[in-house]
Amino acid sequence: QSALTQPASVSGSPGQSIIISCTGTTSDVGGFNSVSWYQQYPGKAPKLMIYDVTHRPSGVSDRFSGSKSGNTASLTISGLQAEDEADYYCSSYIISTSPNYVFGTGTEVTVL
Amino acid sequence: EVQLVQSGAEVKKPGESLKISCESSGYRFSSLWIGWVRQMPGKGLEWMGIIYAGGSDTRYSPSVQGQVTISVDKSISTAYLQWSSLQASDSAMYYCASFVSGTTYADYWGQGTLLTVSS
Repeated sequence: QSALTQPASVSGSPGQSIIISCTGTTSDVGGFNSVSWYQQYPGKAPKLMIYDVTHRPSGVSDRFSGSKSGNTASLTISGLQAEDEADYYCSSYIISTSPNYVFGTGTEVTVL
Repeated sequence: EVQLVQSGAEVKKPGESLKISCESSGYRFSSLWIGWVRQMPGKGLEWMGIIYAGGSDTRYSPSVQGQVTISVDKSISTAYLQWSSLQASDSAMYYCASFVSGTTYADYWGQGTLLTVSS
C-alpha cells in the first residue's frame, strides 16, 4: 500500500507554531477517525503523541494537538521548543490493505 | 501499562534463519494486538504485520508476505518475528508495538532490535 504523504521537513523558531500535514484517501485518513501521530528521536523507538485524530495520551504536552479535514490530518506543535526537534510520523487505519495500518512518509522537524 | 522488551541485536549471514522476540508484561496479553515495524537505515517506518495475541488472526503487508512469519506464544506473553532465509536487504531496525484490542493506535513500543545481515 502507498504511504500517507507528509512534508519531508518543517522548521520553526522557538515559541512559534508549526503544522505537519498527513494526506491520504477516503480508504484511510478520510474514512476513519483512526489517525495517530508518533514522535521519534534518532536511534530511539517511536512514541505515541496523538491518537484517534485529536486525543493526547497521558503525559504528552498539551502543546501537541491533532485535527482532520477530509483526507488530510494535521499535527500542530505550539510554542515550539528545542526538545521537539525529532521525526514525526502519522499512521492511519486502512480498510483495503493488510495489515490494515499505514504510516506516513515522515517529517523531520527542525527548531531554528 | 504495557512493557515490551525485545531481544538483542543480531548479526547474521545471508541465507541464515532468525527469530527475534518481543516479551510483553503489565497487561493481559490475550487482549493485545502486536505489530512489527521495520525501519531501514535512514528511512521511515513501515508496518510489516500484526497478530492478535488472543487468537490466530495474523495480517501481513504485501511487501513481506511469504518472507517472514509472525507468531505468539501466549504461555510466555511473547511475540516473534522470524525469517527462514535472511537477505542483506533485511538489515534494519525492527520494533514491536502493542495495540489494545478495539483500538487503532500503538500505545507502547519495544526498544527495537537491530538486524545486520552481511557476508
